[in-house]
Amino acid sequence: KAGVTQTPRYLIKTRGQQVTLSCSPISGHRSVSWYQQTPGQGLQFLFEYFSETQRNKGNFPGRFSGRQFSNSRSEMNVSTLELGDSALYLCASSDVTSWPTDTQYFGPGTRLTVL
Amino acid sequence: GIQVEQSPPDLILQEGANSTLRCNFSDSVNNLQWFHQNPWGQLINLFYIPSGTKQNGRLSATTVATERYSLLYISSSQTTDSGVYFCAVRESNYQLIWGAGTKLIIKP
Repeated sequence: KAGVTQTPRYLIKTRGQQVTLSCSPISGHRSVSWYQQTPGQGLQFLFEYFSETQRNKGNFPGRFSGRQFSNSRSEMNVSTLELGDSALYLCASSDVTSWPTDTQYFGPGTRLTVL
Repeated sequence: GIQVEQSPPDLILQEGANSTLRCNFSDSVNNLQWFHQNPWGQLINLFYIPSGTKQNGRLSATTVATERYSLLYISSSQTTDSGVYFCAVRESNYQLIWGAGTKLIIKP
């Protein structure tokens, strides 16, 4: 099976702009989670989607939003970008039919730079 | 909520050395995973190990659920083992809770 793919891989934006990142999970995986990782930091959970519904949400402002489509592909959007939004954004998919023993598989990430 | 602590935060070793990384968690869990993040940012799942012991080549992991800790062993370290090692546990509401990671540097 193909792995988790994320597009684009690199992105440069300016403050105030908005950005949309895309994630395609492993075929058959219906859960998609998004994480933000800033330099030297651990992973901060943004949100998780399952069957087009947001199942969990982390402690991020409303500028961060997401959605999931019927084919399980997911997008996240950040509006009114701030310098502090510069980070590696990681997407992970899992097979929830094996929950709670499911494991997460990560994409390569999108590296966002806000100037 | 559940707390996850990893130690040590940093570890520098010579190639060929062995290492032990620790993950403590504050409550019972039904899912514990170890991940390796390489210097380019790619996260790879190493083990799903809520209890017991597993081995995969030079890596092995042990979780003692009753005492709320997990250990990751790396034997005969290679430079490609460098990176950050994370443990993550699942809380009852499905969200994975992540430790801060152990940054491992293997010198040739």
